[in-house]
Amino acid sequence: SQTIHQWPATLVQPVGSPLSLECTVEGTSNPNLYWYRQAAGRGLQLLFYSVGIGQISSEVPQNLSASRPQDRQFILSSKKLLLSDSGFYLCAWSKALAGGFPYEQYFGPGTRLTVT
Amino acid sequence: TQLLEQSPQFLSIQEGENLTVYCNSSSVFSSLQWYRQEPGEGPVLLVTVVTGGEVKKLKRLTFQFGDARKDSSLHITAAQPGDTGLYLCAGAMDSSYKLIFGSGTRLLVRP
Repeated sequence: SQTIHQWPATLVQPVGSPLSLECTVEGTSNPNLYWYRQAAGRGLQLLFYSVGIGQISSEVPQNLSASRPQDRQFILSSKKLLLSDSGFYLCAWSKALAGGFPYEQYFGPGTRLTVT
Repeated sequence: TQLLEQSPQFLSIQEGENLTVYCNSSSVFSSLQWYRQEPGEGPVLLVTVVTGGEVKKLKRLTFQFGDARKDSSLHITAAQPGDTGLYLCAGAMDSSYKLIFGSGTRLLVRP
C-alpha cells in the first residue's frame, strides 16, 4: 500500500529565516505531487505541483519554491520567511493520469508552520 | 476561474439529526471527490463520483453527483459526534493535474 510522509510535524521559525519542508511517498512510482497551504478552518490553496522529477508548476506567486530531486520526494523551501507564510502545509500525491483511477489525491499528515 | 461553492459553511447539529452539504459550480467536472479532515490532520478521501446522477453510499453517508456533473451533495443520516470535521469537495477536469477545492463545510455534531 502507499503511504505519504511529511516532516517536521510542527515548526516555529522567526521571520527572515529559511524553510525546508519535506514530503516523501512510498509504494508507488512516478506520482503527481502537490503542495497546499491551508489557513485555519479554511479550504486548500494549491501552491505547487509536479508531474515528474525536476518538473515544477507554480500556482501562486510568493516567496516559496518547490523542488523534486527524486521521483517520490517533494520539497517546499523559502529563503526568507514572512509572517504571512504561517499556516498548515499539506503534501499530496495522485496517480499519473494514465494509470489507475484518475484525480484522487491522497494527503500527508501536514506540517504546522508558525512564523514569529 | 473555476469555483466550487460549498454550503453551508458551518453546521452545528444534535446527534441523531440528518444533514445535507452542497457543492455547486458552473463548470462541468469529469469527477468529484469528497474528503473529511479532522483538526491537525490531512484530508482523508471518502468517495469519488464520476458519472452524472451517480449515487454512492458509505454507511450513513450518501453522495450524489448531479446529472450535469456540475454539482454534488453529501447527506448524512443520524449524525454522530464522530462525523465532526471539515468536509471538502474537490472537482477534477479532463487533462488537468489539479483539483478544484471547495472552501469546506465545518460540521459539529453535539452529543
